[in-house]
Amino acid sequence: QSALTQPPSASGFPGQSVTISCTGTSSDVGGYNHVSWYQHHPGKAPKLMIYEVNKRPSGVPDRFSGSKSASTASLTVSGLQAEDEADYYCGSWGGSNTWVFGGGTKLTVL
Amino acid sequence: EVQLVESGGGLVQPGGSLRLSCAASGFTLGSYIMRWVRQAPRKGLEWVATINTDGSEEYYVDSVKGRFTISRDNAKNALYLQMNSLRADDTAVYYCARDANWAFEIWGQGTLVTVSS
Repeated sequence: QSALTQPPSASGFPGQSVTISCTGTSSDVGGYNHVSWYQHHPGKAPKLMIYEVNKRPSGVPDRFSGSKSASTASLTVSGLQAEDEADYYCGSWGGSNTWVFGGGTKLTVL
Repeated sequence: EVQLVESGGGLVQPGGSLRLSCAASGFTLGSYIMRWVRQAPRKGLEWVATINTDGSEEYYVDSVKGRFTISRDNAKNALYLQMNSLRADDTAVYYCARDANWAFEIWGQGTLVTVSS
């Protein structure tokens, strides 16, 4: 049950695109399509942004997209806006009724 | 409005116990798998426990097995986490979350648990 690996920080100017990676193993990210992404503004409830690798819940802007290649998943935020500044976490089913999250990436809009 | 509200956090001494509650509103709790997730200071999220819809199945991260118990009262629309033998490394904000589509769909705002003497 080791944590998934995310870069600690990412940044971009308004209007630009930023991609955040999430690396796991064949036992989690690489083995299942149950990868999700969460936006967290400190002090608030985390918010589901992407589920099942690339699906968006109702109400999430299409500027947010997800993908996966082998054991690395990615979240891309296009057309960066000031309100996108937050911490982002990936999560994956780890098999055997376990879940694992990444360490989080702080996204800064410059 | 669909909402989860956690309560019961606080300061507890090492070895002590605490019971967290999660009140659900705007939906029928009994229709959903529920989970607890925690975030230690300056750390990432960590899944803690899962309970199925009728409470007959429970799953835990290795570090809390034998010490924590997840339970639910569907009639009261409430989820619980009984935490015993608490340690300093259990200090964290604890969130309850609703499952949907193999993801943590709805989250509460969390309750802080501090284990310190």
